[in-house]
Amino acid sequence: NAGVTQTPKFQVLKTGQSMTLQCAQDMNHNSMYWYRQDPGMGLRLIYYSASEGTTDKGEVPNGYNVSRLNKREFSLRLESAAPSQTSVYFCASSEEFWVNYGYTFGSGTRLTVV
Amino acid sequence: GQQLNQSPQSMFIQEGEDVSMNCTSSSIFNTWLWYKQDPGEGPVLLIALYKAGELTSNGRLTAQFGITRKDSFLNISASIPSDVGIYFCAGPRYGQNFVFGPGTRLSVLP
Repeated sequence: NAGVTQTPKFQVLKTGQSMTLQCAQDMNHNSMYWYRQDPGMGLRLIYYSASEGTTDKGEVPNGYNVSRLNKREFSLRLESAAPSQTSVYFCASSEEFWVNYGYTFGSGTRLTVV
Repeated sequence: GQQLNQSPQSMFIQEGEDVSMNCTSSSIFNTWLWYKQDPGEGPVLLIALYKAGELTSNGRLTAQFGITRKDSFLNISASIPSDVGIYFCAGPRYGQNFVFGPGTRLSVLP
């Protein structure tokens, strides 16, 4: 019962480097999300995919791109990492975009940009 | 836009004490969710509320949907060390995804 799996768990990047955060869910959910968590600011939505084949911007999309590779997988890419992108990144999924019982979260990727 | 505020931001309590925290919104919500995030993990859903005035329990946790529909409350009775973590409230943006509060960080002292 894996749920939502994120890789890697930890990453250190130099300013200007690029990387892709991977997320996969095995619950046959249609909708997937990427959040970042910063101290005192809670979870802020970066991008989401309401269904396979669609992606949309959230609150804080600048500096990021996403790909909904298939129904299971939703990746987040940092093209040119900046120190302001140091954060904990969470992927989440839900059965449909509009659900009233919330999302299932992965265990997070802790990213440090130096 | 819709914003959620949580109070207190952090709290230190003795094991065995009861805990109360709340979440307020600038807008009316028709759903309130409470999540807990253990250190180093992702948030996990604790309780969901769907009706104004509703009171729902999950073990030692009890949450209430405020009658104004702009607030919600979470109580933990007889705290234990594993209650340590960050507690988030969440509510749905109109027609869109959920928005999360900044969290209440709970520390339990033995």
